[in-house]
Amino acid sequence: KAGVTQTPRYLIKTRGQQVTLSCSPISGHRSVSWYQQTPGQGLQFLFEYFSETQRNKGNFPGRFSGRQFSNSRSEMNVSTLELGDSALYLCASSLTRGADTQYFGPGTRLTVL
Amino acid sequence: AQTVTQSQPEMSVQEAETVTLSCTYDTSESDYYLFWYKQPPSRQMILVIRQEAYKQQNATENRFSVNFQKAAKSFSLKISDSQLGDAAMYFCAYRRFTGANSKLTFGKGITLSVRP
Repeated sequence: KAGVTQTPRYLIKTRGQQVTLSCSPISGHRSVSWYQQTPGQGLQFLFEYFSETQRNKGNFPGRFSGRQFSNSRSEMNVSTLELGDSALYLCASSLTRGADTQYFGPGTRLTVL
Repeated sequence: AQTVTQSQPEMSVQEAETVTLSCTYDTSESDYYLFWYKQPPSRQMILVIRQEAYKQQNATENRFSVNFQKAAKSFSLKISDSQLGDAAMYFCAYRRFTGANSKLTFGKGITLSVRP
């Protein structure tokens, strides 16, 4: 069974631009969570989607948004990019919510210049 | 709010030796899950081992085992017969058993190096 895939793997943007990252979960998995990883803040939860609905949201500004499609694929969008948005963005999928283990994708490395 | 603490930023072990990585957490919940994830230089986060808080028996996966002390809120990872491929960053993580907030809360991570 294929793992979690994320596209693109690397991205370079400039301040003020917007960006969209994509995540395809493991086949059959319906829950998708997003995390931001930076050297200073570590791994921080962004949001979780299940059945096309945002179920949880972390402490991030409204510039960070996401959505989930009927096939469970998810996208996250960051508008008006800031230098501090440079990070590794990780997507994780699980069968359902709650007790299930989350399996991570390889991440998208975003660099904001 | 739940917190996860990994106080040792770096550790080193000789190949074939055993190493223990420490993790403590704070929660008021009685049911939860604890995880150890490995992140090698490729940055892919890989699940190493998972422990359910309601289970008294410590989880084991091949060379990896945990020492789960619920009362002390301690969750350490023991790696036996260390291999060069074990070199990576290791993250301890907490997740509530069920409920609305099922996010993973991570510690800061430990960088493990393996000496040949």
